[in-house]
Amino acid sequence: GAVVSQHPSRVICKSGTSVKIECRSLDFQATTMFWYRQFPKKSLMLMATSNEGSKATYEQGVEKDKFLINHASLTLSTLTVTSAHPEDSSFYICSASGRTATQETQYFGPGTRLLVL
Amino acid sequence: SQQGEEDPQALSIQEGENATMNCSYKTSINNLQWYRQNSGRGLVHLILIRSNEREKHSGRLRVTLDTSKKSSSLLITASRAADTASYFCATPGEGGSEKLVFGKGTKLTVNP
Repeated sequence: GAVVSQHPSRVICKSGTSVKIECRSLDFQATTMFWYRQFPKKSLMLMATSNEGSKATYEQGVEKDKFLINHASLTLSTLTVTSAHPEDSSFYICSASGRTATQETQYFGPGTRLLVL
Repeated sequence: SQQGEEDPQALSIQEGENATMNCSYKTSINNLQWYRQNSGRGLVHLILIRSNEREKHSGRLRVTLDTSKKSSSLLITASRAADTASYFCATPGEGGSEKLVFGKGTKLTVNP
């Protein structure tokens, strides 16, 4: 149980375009979803926390207009990287916690590797 | 500031040996978690230990927590090549929020 999927797993886009990444909890209701960014050989950096039906809370230094987060349902959150630039290239990972899963534990998606050319 | 700091940063051992990774943190916590990440993949939750627990076991994993020293250790016994991964400790964010703060991780390589 407590499976989280992410789509796409890998995306290459041109500079200036927008990319949407989906995060789904498959077998539990995710009241909270988290979006992380990870640089090569580095730890995870929390970008934002989103609760279903409300605006996301962004961490300091993360541009909310650039990284649009929507958590419209208890099983789906999306991260849209707008007007992507090469420096946005990274590994993006979502996680979810929720009512029917152990709340203190986050369940992670497999990640999305974004390459902006 | 970095909450969890693992050491060593990298560890290379032979199959069958035990691997010990340590994590130190700065603030008071009510639990600490360990996660594993295979290269290029998401994280997998391994174990959660609460502040009132000193030791916890799960299969070949043994986690200890010393709240007086603000440190935790993860021991993997009888390691296998498949244990090769990065291991992160994670503690709750400020005020015990739902957020997790991850350490920098220990990259474990188990050589066959």
